[in-house]
Amino acid sequence: QQPVQSPQAVILREGEDAVINCSSSKALYSVHWYRQKHGEAPVFLMILLKGGEQKGHEKISASFNEKKQQSSLYLTASQLSYSGTYFCGTGPWGSNYKLTFGKGTLLTVNP
Amino acid sequence: DTEVTQTPKHLVMGMTNKKSLKCEQHMGHRAMYWYKQKAKKPPELMFVYSYEKLSINESVPSRFSPECPNSSLLNLHLHALQPEDSALYLCASSQDGKGGNTIYFGEGSWLTVV
Repeated sequence: QQPVQSPQAVILREGEDAVINCSSSKALYSVHWYRQKHGEAPVFLMILLKGGEQKGHEKISASFNEKKQQSSLYLTASQLSYSGTYFCGTGPWGSNYKLTFGKGTLLTVNP
Repeated sequence: DTEVTQTPKHLVMGMTNKKSLKCEQHMGHRAMYWYKQKAKKPPELMFVYSYEKLSINESVPSRFSPECPNSSLLNLHLHALQPEDSALYLCASSQDGKGGNTIYFGEGSWLTVV
C-alpha cells in the first residue's frame, strides 16, 4: 500500500528548515528516503529501520516513529542543492523487493 | 563504488520495433530491479530478479520481457510497445532483498515510443 507523504510541495529560502513526513497505514519495517532532481535518477539519502537503526550518506536527519507508523525527514539550513522531489519508500517486513514509493514532495529552495 | 550503469540513456522506437535496455552493476549485488517512472510520478516496480531468477513480476504486459544473463547484468527487451509506455525506465540493485539494504538506482533510460 502506498505511503502518504506531506506536504506535497514546499518552497524555502536558502538557510531555512523543512520537514517532510511519510505515513503508512501498515506497520513499518524500513523507510527509504530518496531525492530526485528533474531529469535525473533517484539518489539514496537514508534508510531507517524498525528498532531505531539509521543509515545514511548525507548530512540529513530523520526519525522513525513505530507507534505512529510514520517517518520524518529533516532538512536543516537548506541549500540550493536540496531542491528536488523527495520520495519515501516502504516495504513489507524483512523485504526490500516490493518497495512502494509515496507520491513525492517537491522541495524548492530559492536564493 | 555504488554505481548502476544503464544504456542507452535515450531511446526512440516505433511501435513495431524490437529494442533492449541494458543495466550493469559490479557491486556484487544479488537483487536487481526494473522500475518504470512517468513524469511527476513515483517509480513503480516492474520486475525483481533475485540471485538471477525472476522473483517478482508486477503483472507487467508481455511486450516487456526481462532477462538476467548473469549476476551483474539485467536486460529489458521491448517489443510492440505503445505510446503510453513512454517513460523513464530505472534499473536498480541491492545486496539482496532483505529489508534495510540500500537500493541503488541507475541514471535511467528515457524511452519514447512513436
